[in-house]
This record gives sequence, structure tokens and C-alpha cells, in this order.
Amino acid sequence: SQQGEEDPQALSIQEGENATMNCSYKTSINNLQWYRQNSGRGLVHLILIRSNEREKHSGRLRVTLDTSKKSSSLLITASRAADTASYFCATGQAGTALIFGKGTTLSVSS
Amino acid sequence: EPEVTQTPSHQVTQMGQEVILRCVPISNHLYFYWYRQILGQKVEFLVSFYNNEISEKSEIFDDQFSVERPDGSNFTLKIRSTKLEDSAMYFCASSGQGAQETQYFGPGTRLLVL
Repeated sequence: SQQGEEDPQALSIQEGENATMNCSYKTSINNLQWYRQNSGRGLVHLILIRSNEREKHSGRLRVTLDTSKKSSSLLITASRAADTASYFCATGQAGTALIFGKGTTLSVSS
Repeated sequence: EPEVTQTPSHQVTQMGQEVILRCVPISNHLYFYWYRQILGQKVEFLVSFYNNEISEKSEIFDDQFSVERPDGSNFTLKIRSTKLEDSAMYFCASSGQGAQETQYFGPGTRLLVL
């Protein structure tokens, strides 16, 4: 089955720095979605990128998708302490299910 | 901004008991989902629901689980006879036009089975 796997598992940076998280998957997808989860809380949708798109922006977030390499990256620019959370990629294929990765835990210190 | 809501936020139950987790999806959405996240593990798909029937279900979603849309606003997940391994955070989600659109998640119900 397809699988999103994030890299790195954990990332620690200082406020103002950029954070880059990567996601790899195994099979063809229709879309890839990035979510944020604060500790013990719900999943907040960040960006959806479709398989025919290569890059999308939303505020300080930039997502790229390389379907030939079956990989995506999430870049958070000028990070803030409030960005501290776990970030997940989730892939959607022909069906209805999203398949989640294990996530990257981002810690931003001030 | 419209949100998916879930009740209760926490539920503690004894093994073997039935539990019903409730969700109110975003009002004009057509697709509804349940996912679960065991502590420290990935978010896992359980089931999707469209037009008053199950569209897709995972291997996890066995005969112990059922879903229902009892009225025009609620979407429920029932676990008939809970097991210790059912302890997890359960998330409801909804999407407007299908799974190829953004799935919006609720805040979750933390279920603890003792």
C-alpha cells in the first residue's frame, strides 16, 4: 500500500530560521496533503497539492511535489515558537482514504 | 469558519462496553470519515461514508465497528464491545466534493478502555 514517510523524525531550530520537512511515498497519488498537530490535539489542514502541481504557497508555507521521485517537501519560512508541532503528510489515491506518515516533530525555540 | 465538532472530548469505558462517538461534519460537506491514532503512532483510516452508505473501509474496521448518519447533521461511530487496544484518539473528518478535496478534521475524542 502507499505510504507517506516524513523525514526527519525530529527537527529543532531557532525562531526566524526556516524548517524543511520531507515526505516520501511509494505508489501513485492523486493528491498529497500536509497537516499540523499540536500535542494531543486535532489535525489542522495546511495545504493540498495535486499530482499535476509542482509547487504551492500559503503564507509562510511552501510545498513542492516531485511525482517522479515520489516525494514532497514542506518549507516553513521565518519560523515562530507557535509553529512547534508535529507535521504529517497524507497521500490520497483513487479511493477515499488518506494514508498518513509518522510525522516530523518540529521544535522552535525562542 | 465552519468546523468539524466531536463529542465527547474524552471517554473512559470498561472493556466489553459499547461506546458511541459523535461528530458534526461541516454542514455542506458530502463525505465523512473516521480515523484513529493510537498514542505515538500514525493516524489510521477506518471508514468513509457517502450518500448514506460506507464507501471504503480499512481492515481495522471490523464487525465491532459501525457508522451511522442518524439525522441531517450527526455522524456517529459505534464500537460494540470495546477492547483494550481500541484505546486511541478518534478523529472525524469531512470533505466537500470527495476525497480528492481537503479533508477537515475535528478535534478528536480520546477513548480510554480499561
